[in-house]
Amino acid sequence: GQSLEQPSEVTAVEGAIVQINCTYQTSGFYGLSWYQQHDGGAPTFLSYNALDGLEETGRFSSFLSRSDSYGYLLLQELQMKDSASYFCAVRGTGGFKTIFGAGTRLFVKA
Amino acid sequence: DARVTQTPRHKVTEMGQEVTMRCQPILGHNTVFWYRQTMMQGLELLAYFRNRAPLDDSGMPKDRFSAEMPDATLATLKIQPSEPRDSAVYFCASGLGRQAEGTQYFGPGTRLLVL
Repeated sequence: GQSLEQPSEVTAVEGAIVQINCTYQTSGFYGLSWYQQHDGGAPTFLSYNALDGLEETGRFSSFLSRSDSYGYLLLQELQMKDSASYFCAVRGTGGFKTIFGAGTRLFVKA
Repeated sequence: DARVTQTPRHKVTEMGQEVTMRCQPILGHNTVFWYRQTMMQGLELLAYFRNRAPLDDSGMPKDRFSAEMPDATLATLKIQPSEPRDSAVYFCASGLGRQAEGTQYFGPGTRLLVL
């Protein structure tokens, strides 16, 4: 089967760094994506890792270890506007079918 | 500013009525996805198309749901008859080629309430 696990909630202070982990189990693997979703909004693409290592985009970085079936999203210099849900997603087997994790709700406190 | 558009943004209907949701993917994108999001089930893939052809609709209740792409600029999701358990936010997303496997652009969603 295919599954993704990520923490349900994370709380951090404004200006801090937070890491959201994601472990996955798939019969085939092509890459790990991250999406951000604010309350009442639509998921917004953040990053995609197909190869091992760290990808950096501004304050956000994403890491992948295919051998460990593990990845994380790193948010630096947290801002209040970063309070949102963050989803990891993998492409499942067969075509472009995408499986999303249940999401991690990030609370940023002043 | 290229965006995925969806109509209607909100829909309230009574059980048994037909509901049609429409999506216009980003111009040039050849892969279109339909998702349903609820608190209990999270984001579920209902169906997706590539070059207007349906590739997988295994996530969709076949007896009442149908999805089509009449042309490259329009995707539709229809529920007939609707039931209260169909109440959810329905998102359309689009992507380009192989990039769509990891990079999808979501529309604003249709918030459906079936009474």
